[in-house]
Amino acid sequence: QQQVKQSPQSLIVQKGGISIINCAYENTAFDYFPWYQQFPGKGPALLIAIRPDVSEKKEGRFTISFNKSAKQFSLHIMDSQPGDSATYFCAASLTSGGYQKVTFGTGTKLQVIP
Amino acid sequence: DGGITQSPKYLFRKEGQNVTLSCEQNLNHDAMYWYRQDPGQGLRLIYYSQIVNDFQKGDIAEGYSVSREKKESFPLTVTSAQKNPTAFYLCASSIMGHVQETQYFGPGTRLLVL
Repeated sequence: QQQVKQSPQSLIVQKGGISIINCAYENTAFDYFPWYQQFPGKGPALLIAIRPDVSEKKEGRFTISFNKSAKQFSLHIMDSQPGDSATYFCAASLTSGGYQKVTFGTGTKLQVIP
Repeated sequence: DGGITQSPKYLFRKEGQNVTLSCEQNLNHDAMYWYRQDPGQGLRLIYYSQIVNDFQKGDIAEGYSVSREKKESFPLTVTSAQKNPTAFYLCASSIMGHVQETQYFGPGTRLLVL
């Protein structure tokens, strides 16, 4: 089964700290790894994404680290702010039968406390 | 403004009733998707469509039906055969659906059973 395992389920970080969310996958055919941010009652929105030929991608305070050999990738949020409090989903996608199939992790609820 | 709209925001279903969730996009995207989100679970794919008048079952299609008569519209019907319909339903779209690309999500519809 094409699973993406995400941890932790919830995370509390103090303002200014580093938030780290980890994901692991099994299928080596996955070729695109996006992270989505979701606020309560809203749809998810793309935060940052990486392809497996890159080991790290940084956009502002958000960094994806990708370890292809370990089949793991993680999201680091530097200088975490209360406005970052949301649920974060990692995902992995592959093209199968002419269609891009996306498999989502189970989500991490992040709370940044002042 | 370009984007995806879903209506209604909240929907109540009575026993044995079929209900239809609306999804409209003005992004000129070819591909559209329906996901179901339950607490503690990732997004699970119900149906997807890459072109008008064509759609495919996702991982949890039983008890649901869709149509794609127009490029910009992809309504989802939750039928009486779906025994556990209470969930947050998300519609998404992407440019082509068969390459590494971002899926853009609507604001969601929360379905509750009376």
